[in-house]
Amino acid sequence: KQEVTQIPAALSVPEGENLVLNCSFTDSAIYNLQWFRQDPGKGLTSLLLIQSSQREQTSGRLNASLDKSSGRSTLYIAASQPGDSATYLCAVPRGANNLFFGTGTRLTVIP
Amino acid sequence: NAGVTQTPKFRVLKTGQSMTLLCAQDMNHEYMYWYRQDPGMGLRLIHYSVGEGTTAKGEVPDGYNVSRLKKQNFLLGLESAAPSQTSVYFCASVSPSYNEQFFGPGTRLTVL
Repeated sequence: KQEVTQIPAALSVPEGENLVLNCSFTDSAIYNLQWFRQDPGKGLTSLLLIQSSQREQTSGRLNASLDKSSGRSTLYIAASQPGDSATYLCAVPRGANNLFFGTGTRLTVIP
Repeated sequence: NAGVTQTPKFRVLKTGQSMTLLCAQDMNHEYMYWYRQDPGMGLRLIHYSVGEGTTAKGEVPDGYNVSRLKKQNFLLGLESAAPSQTSVYFCASVSPSYNEQFFGPGTRLTVL
């Protein structure tokens, strides 16, 4: 059974710092991995989707990498800002079109 | 282009009452999903649909029913609400090109 783990559960950093969020999965037979952002009381916003044939994807200050062989993905946030404060979730496919979600990392960027 | 919308945003029910949550998407997606999110449990799939007129059970389907009469709408029903169904409910639809999921803003349900 697939398990998706995100460590740490919570992270606080000062504004301007670069940071890395981690996502581990036990079954490497995935065809993509998706990173989401969730603000308190809000829905999930898709940040990046990495196909299994790709090793990384970039969007603005965000860079996500995927290493299927080691069962790991990282989300790198450059020059963090207070507006980046949110919970970040990774998810891998489950069956045809469903997702296994990690429990998330709650990020706080301190001004 | 509204994406995925959900109504209502909030609802308080008494045990035994019934209600229907509505999800609508304007992206012409075939696949739609209902999740619940609980503290420490992450998101769990309740039911899903792979097209108009079809539905299937997910991970935690008990106590819920769904219908997909129109492609753009996916309804989640609680026939007799229980306190264990207090949760935040999210609907999602999937882009067929990259299997990317798009989420609605959620419905916060409290069952007293």
